Amino acid sequence: DAGVIQSPRHEVTEMGQEVTLRCKPISGHDYLFWYRQTMMRGLELLIYFNNNVPIDDSGMPEDRFSAKMPNASFSTLKIQPSEPRDSAVYFCASSPEGGGLPGQETQYFGPGTRLLVL
Amino acid sequence: KNEVEQSPQNLTAQEGEFITINCSYSVGISALHWLQQHPGGGIVSLFMLSSGKKKHGRLIATINIQEKHSSLHITASHPRDSAVYICAVRPVGGGADGLTFGKGTHLIIQP
Repeated sequence: DAGVIQSPRHEVTEMGQEVTLRCKPISGHDYLFWYRQTMMRGLELLIYFNNNVPIDDSGMPEDRFSAKMPNASFSTLKIQPSEPRDSAVYFCASSPEGGGLPGQETQYFGPGTRLLVL
Repeated sequence: KNEVEQSPQNLTAQEGEFITINCSYSVGISALHWLQQHPGGGIVSLFMLSSGKKKHGRLIATINIQEKHSSLHITASHPRDSAVYICAVRPVGGGADGLTFGKGTHLIIQP
């Protein structure tokens, strides 16, 4: 299996522009997670999906952020409009059933998208 | 509010040394994860623990639920172990959400 695939790997954009990050989870995984990592705050869970349905988006920082999962093999995280403080590495992860509950499988991370908003 | 503290924040050691990284948390948890982030940024999940101890190669992870503490040990450390090691916990009753992450321990193993 190719693992979790994210694109683009790097993105540089100007403040105010729309940014779309993409993720392809591992086939057969029921859970998909979006994380953000910064030096100041470390890793933060933004949102996660179970069977393509958003379950908890309480980690999404504000309305400028939105995430979709139109099918089991694709998800997007969109920032509109982008701001310099959105600069971070954005990770997508997927997991089989349970998503890390005791006795269940852990999460498999993608390589991340490094976003720089100027 | 669940706090996850890792120590040390930075650690430099010589090849072959026994390494211990600690993680303490403040609320009851159902699971604890240890993650490894390579210098290139990729994250690998090392362990998921709910009790006791797990071993994989030169890596050993232990957890003491009563003391709210976990340790990650590396035996016979090697320069390729150089990475950031991140602890993450899931509170009791939490589903796949609610993970709280530590800030990470930056480990450098010198040849």
